[in-house]
Amino acid sequence: SQTIHQWPATLVQPVGSPLSLECTVEGTSNPNLYWYRQAAGRGLQLLFYSVGIGQISSEVPQNLSASRPQDRQFILSSKKLLLSDSGFYLCARQDYGYTFGSGTRLTVV
Amino acid sequence: GDSVTQMEGPVTLSEEAFLTINCTYTATGYPSLFWYVQYPGEGLQLLLKATKADDKGSNKGFEATYRKETTSFHLEKGSVQVSDSAVYFCALSFTSGGSYIPTFGRGTSLIVHP
Repeated sequence: SQTIHQWPATLVQPVGSPLSLECTVEGTSNPNLYWYRQAAGRGLQLLFYSVGIGQISSEVPQNLSASRPQDRQFILSSKKLLLSDSGFYLCARQDYGYTFGSGTRLTVV
Repeated sequence: GDSVTQMEGPVTLSEEAFLTINCTYTATGYPSLFWYVQYPGEGLQLLLKATKADDKGSNKGFEATYRKETTSFHLEKGSVQVSDSAVYFCALSFTSGGSYIPTFGRGTSLIVHP
């Protein structure tokens, strides 16, 4: 199984509060993992990718960060959320194609 | 760099109509091509894929043919259903060599009316 678990499914957070979104994957070890954001009515924006434990590449400079403390765990964080951080966040792993989690709907108020 | 261009949406059709969603790409080398579908409130699911020129991917009545000469991977379905209403993403990726970061189109929303 190449299942991806994301939680929470929905989240409402005030501006300035911290954020932690977790993604855990099953299946093949040492997968390439990705965080994407999908803003309302827009396409997918790659935020971070990781090819291994502790290895994070950032695609878009912003107030978000990512960490990979374990092989199958990928965490998206922020110290202080902005209104513009609202969106649908998707975790994905690279297989033959790409497998996506079910996403987290974040609303910053 | 690599890019994927999809037709603007939304595409609005009546049930049983023929569907085409255009997708063209720009890439250095020969990528694998994918179509993903996103139902409302859900993540993306792989719909079909093709790994080399002239390959045809198919699933759930959807088809797409990898056309190297026109750098296209248009999605088609002969008779759409209301349940096909979703956002469709075209994507490319290199599974060996090149970049392992997938490139997605902006997505095309499909609305099917009964």
